Amino acid sequence: DTGVSQNPRHKITKRGQNVTFRCDPISEHNRLYWYRQTLGQGPEFLTYFQNEAQLEKSRLLSDRFSAERPKGSFSTLEIQRTEQGDSAMYLCASSLGSKGVAKNIQYFGAGTRLSVL
Amino acid sequence: DQQVKQNSPSLSVQEGRISILNCDYTNSMFDYFLWYKKYPAEGPTFLISISSIKDKNEDGRFTVFLNKSAKHLSLHIVPSQPGDSAVYFCAANWGGAQKLVFGQGTRLTINP
Repeated sequence: DTGVSQNPRHKITKRGQNVTFRCDPISEHNRLYWYRQTLGQGPEFLTYFQNEAQLEKSRLLSDRFSAERPKGSFSTLEIQRTEQGDSAMYLCASSLGSKGVAKNIQYFGAGTRLSVL
Repeated sequence: DQQVKQNSPSLSVQEGRISILNCDYTNSMFDYFLWYKKYPAEGPTFLISISSIKDKNEDGRFTVFLNKSAKHLSLHIVPSQPGDSAVYFCAANWGGAQKLVFGQGTRLTINP
């Protein structure tokens, strides 16, 4: 399977703990995105990488959130000192990043569902 | 502010009939629009897209219409099939940006 892979699929944690999620994009895609989705809403943009460079961050990404993409391959999203409001589905997507229509199509993973107790 | 809106949380259609899902946007800078379909426990799956230079794009049973003056787009599914039952998201972006802005989604149920 060459789709976007996210791990873990589910994470339950206690308030105040740190959590880390991993995303493996489609292998030839050089752009990687993180989104957050809460119940009844569409995905909301958090941040995106072009290769290893983090080029844009949303205001939703507070100081407790950090994302990395070492070597331009997989990416991690860490949340420090989790709060109940962080409970959501965290989605990763990747895109080709070349010129033309195809660059705009983002392909999503199945997500990591975070529950903060 | 909600720049992309899907005002119908749910839609129920009989199998074989046409399903029409609607989406409105407020940002006139948007120049590319996409529809995604989402099944439970899966991520959104790309369905069809349209550039702002066009007013229609068709792919098999799926057609997207864009009305720029009304800032409105719609997705038509003909004929509707039970496997089309899912949540459908409208999304948009613009040339200089990479992020997609999503609507809230519409849950489509196809009844046999």
